[in-house]
Amino acid sequence: AQTVTQSQPEMSVQEAETVTLSCTYDTSESDYYLFWYKQPPSRQMILVIRQEAYKQQNATENRFSVNFQKAAKSFSLKISDSQLGDAAMYFCAYPPQGGSEKLVFGKGTKLTVNP
Amino acid sequence: DVKVTQSSRYLVKRTGEKVFLECVQDMDHENMFWYRQDPGLGLRLIYFSYDVKMKEKGDIPEGYSVSREKKERFSLILESASTNQTSMYLCASSLHGPHTDTQYFGPGTRLTVL
Repeated sequence: AQTVTQSQPEMSVQEAETVTLSCTYDTSESDYYLFWYKQPPSRQMILVIRQEAYKQQNATENRFSVNFQKAAKSFSLKISDSQLGDAAMYFCAYPPQGGSEKLVFGKGTKLTVNP
Repeated sequence: DVKVTQSSRYLVKRTGEKVFLECVQDMDHENMFWYRQDPGLGLRLIYFSYDVKMKEKGDIPEGYSVSREKKERFSLILESASTNQTSMYLCASSLHGPHTDTQYFGPGTRLTVL
């Protein structure tokens, strides 16, 4: 079965510090997208960042960036200058096979930001 | 902004009842999804639809059915609710396939089956 693994169920970070959330996945495809979604407490899940696997350059969205290592099938999320509003559940997701009309989500990492 | 709404935030039902969860999106999206979210299990896809009256099974369709009579509305039906269906249910939509496109999520319905 094709899977996505988030090995850190919980993490914490001090406000203004940097934290990295890990994600590994398993696919035989060569061209695909990878996603990080964020679910704040009692709020709707939203897309944080998206990476196209065929692009060498790591995606960046303001304080959020990814470290994408295609050969290692690793897709980690780095949050710089952490803010209290970054506290949330973070899910990585990928399509299990090319052209599939669905995503497989990891089990999530709960991030706590300490003031 | 895309808006995805779900009919209830909290719902309490009894075992054996027929339960309807409604989801509406206002951005003319082709694709709609129902997920179930449980602690330690992440999100699991129940059903999805890529067009009106079309539906596809996800990873855990057993005990559920869906209906999509209009493009903007996607309903999840529990024919005979059971206690193991107590969970958070999330609806989502996307313009194109979720393997390339952003999914927009509703606020969720926390269903308790007694």
